[in-house]
Amino acid sequence: ETGVTQTPRHLVMGMTNKKSLKCEQHLGHNAMYWYKQSAKKPLELMFVYSLEERVENNSVPSRFSPECPNSSHLFLHLHTLQPEDSALYLCASSQQGQATNYGYTFGSGTRLTVV
Amino acid sequence: QKEVEQNSGPLSVPEGAIASLNCTYSDRVSQSFFWYRQYSGKSPELIMSIYSNGDKEDGRFTAQLNKASQYVSLLIRDSQPSDSATYLCAVLPYGNKLVFGAGTILRVKS
Repeated sequence: ETGVTQTPRHLVMGMTNKKSLKCEQHLGHNAMYWYKQSAKKPLELMFVYSLEERVENNSVPSRFSPECPNSSHLFLHLHTLQPEDSALYLCASSQQGQATNYGYTFGSGTRLTVV
Repeated sequence: QKEVEQNSGPLSVPEGAIASLNCTYSDRVSQSFFWYRQYSGKSPELIMSIYSNGDKEDGRFTAQLNKASQYVSLLIRDSQPSDSATYLCAVLPYGNKLVFGAGTILRVKS
């Protein structure tokens, strides 16, 4: 495996379900990010983890709960979501101090539909 | 005011023409600028980065940066149908968090 991998690729869940999105990076990066992408809107930064510590939470509702057990893995736990949470959820990684030159590397995303 | 602004398009160009994509940003201390290409249903893919005023060329792509005007652009020469995608402008202000524009849809017609 290379780059940033996300699972599952597609997820349909009811509003009362609990599910988790998984992200794994194989690039040796030390920062990981969750983004939400809704139709015709800019990518919205949700959470930032640097060296396994959460350094940013952009006013994300508590029904989204991130977890970063180590520098290679990032999870997004979902519970009691709303239909407006349906979107493409993207994981990204970067090397602190090198993002200036290399930007972020994105995973393939999870297309989430809340019914 | 949006931090990073792009015309949503769609921008339609004939095959072989030059496509010009534009982006403005609000944070004057921004230090790095990126263009990502995103095909429908896929994740963003980095295609160009630029840090200094002027032009930077890579194959058919040229990025242009004017920090005084807070303006960055992407030119695609000899546009191909395979270039049809959404192009995202991203800016790295002081710190380590990329800020994205909403993207410009490019359609190259054969």
